[in-house]
Amino acid sequence: GAGVSQSPRYKVTKRGQDVALRCDPISGHVSLYWYRQALGQGPEFLTYFNYEAQQDKSGLPNDRFSAERPEGSISTLTIQRTEQRDSAMYRCASSSHAGLAGVSYEQYFGPGTRLTVT
Amino acid sequence: GQQVMQIPQYQHVQEGEDFTTYCNSSTTLSNIQWYKQRPGGHPVFLIQLVKSGEVKKQKRLTFQFGEAKKNSSLHITATQTTDVGTYFCAGYFPDSGAGSYQLTFGKGTKLSVIP
Repeated sequence: GAGVSQSPRYKVTKRGQDVALRCDPISGHVSLYWYRQALGQGPEFLTYFNYEAQQDKSGLPNDRFSAERPEGSISTLTIQRTEQRDSAMYRCASSSHAGLAGVSYEQYFGPGTRLTVT
Repeated sequence: GQQVMQIPQYQHVQEGEDFTTYCNSSTTLSNIQWYKQRPGGHPVFLIQLVKSGEVKKQKRLTFQFGEAKKNSSLHITATQTTDVGTYFCAGYFPDSGAGSYQLTFGKGTKLSVIP
């Protein structure tokens, strides 16, 4: 079946512009995660949704970053007034089970969006 | 914040040699997951360990979770070129309020296999 998809795969934007990154999770998956992965590093947690509810946004770096999942399926990560330090691979992952505090399940990662801010 | 340390950062082995990567946390984990990321690819789930002292095997791969649930290891026997990639451990910490849903990844161990 189809895996997690993300679009665009590559995004080049000028400093100060807003960008919206899209994630389409595996059909039926209730949990959705956003990560940021720098080159040579592990994924860094940004935020997490169960269905349409944003359960944890403690990993968002600052208030320029926001995410939504209005219908409990597709999610959008928005970065306002982009800065060069925002350049990274942004990855989305989904899980079939609703995550609970302190209880984790297998996560399926998408191919990522490579964001470059010039 | 809560961190998961992983060593070594890089490992070069001859094909047929064994490989081990280690993961350590300063605090007790609820469970730990392992992922493999091939060059240019995305992380792919390998396994989850939950119980203290748990050992799981997948063909040539052996995963261990320490008795204190603070460390874990992945051992590959007789490496093959198909094992090339970066192996990440990802720790899940007990409920502690904000951040309880976070999977905290180590920096990974990049494995190169020389044919």
